Amino acid sequence: AQSVTQPDIHITVSEGASLELRCNYSYGATPYLFWYVQSPGQGLQLLLKYFSGDTLVQGIKGFEAEFKRSQSSFNLRKPSVHWSDAAEYFCAVMNSNSGYALNFGKGTSLLVTP
Amino acid sequence: NAGVTQTPKFQVLKTGQSMTLQCAQDMNHEYMSWYRQDPGMGLRLIHYSVGAGITDQGEVPNGYNVSRSTTEDFPLRLLSAAPSQTSVYFCASSAGQYYGYTFGSGTRLTVV
Repeated sequence: AQSVTQPDIHITVSEGASLELRCNYSYGATPYLFWYVQSPGQGLQLLLKYFSGDTLVQGIKGFEAEFKRSQSSFNLRKPSVHWSDAAEYFCAVMNSNSGYALNFGKGTSLLVTP
Repeated sequence: NAGVTQTPKFQVLKTGQSMTLQCAQDMNHEYMSWYRQDPGMGLRLIHYSVGAGITDQGEVPNGYNVSRSTTEDFPLRLLSAAPSQTSVYFCASSAGQYYGYTFGSGTRLTVV
């Protein structure tokens, strides 16, 4: 089954610095990949998605992600982090064996320092 | 446009009690799914549905039942609540495999 791994449980970044959150996927064919963000006590908001085509995907809130088949990765990036970006970030893949429901990574918690 | 609506937002149950978590969407989405979120575990799939009358088990289905009699509604039933079912539950819907999922705001369930 398709799965994703987020190697970093916690990341701390200074406000204004660049950000990269890692996501590795496991699937032989082209996966359908997503990044979601969850603010404390809130639901999940879709940041961006990748199905095919251009490997650099633009999302909301200034985020982008790059699909790299050679590295089985779909890392999320932002050039300059704002304090409001502090949240939990989840990478997910659609699982064709489960009615295209999502398989999630365990999440990366982002802390932004002044 | 309400999106995905989950009720209740909070619930406390005693061990052995049963209850139904409600999930409704007004986007005419065929795909719906239920997840539970526990600290350090991410979100895990409980049950999913690809259309009215069609449901199947996900990764952690034990202790939960679902049905899908209409496109709009996808309730999750806890048959006999256990403390291990203390969690935050999310319902989500999607128009299909080339679309993302829209999530509800969640139900925080505590079983004592």
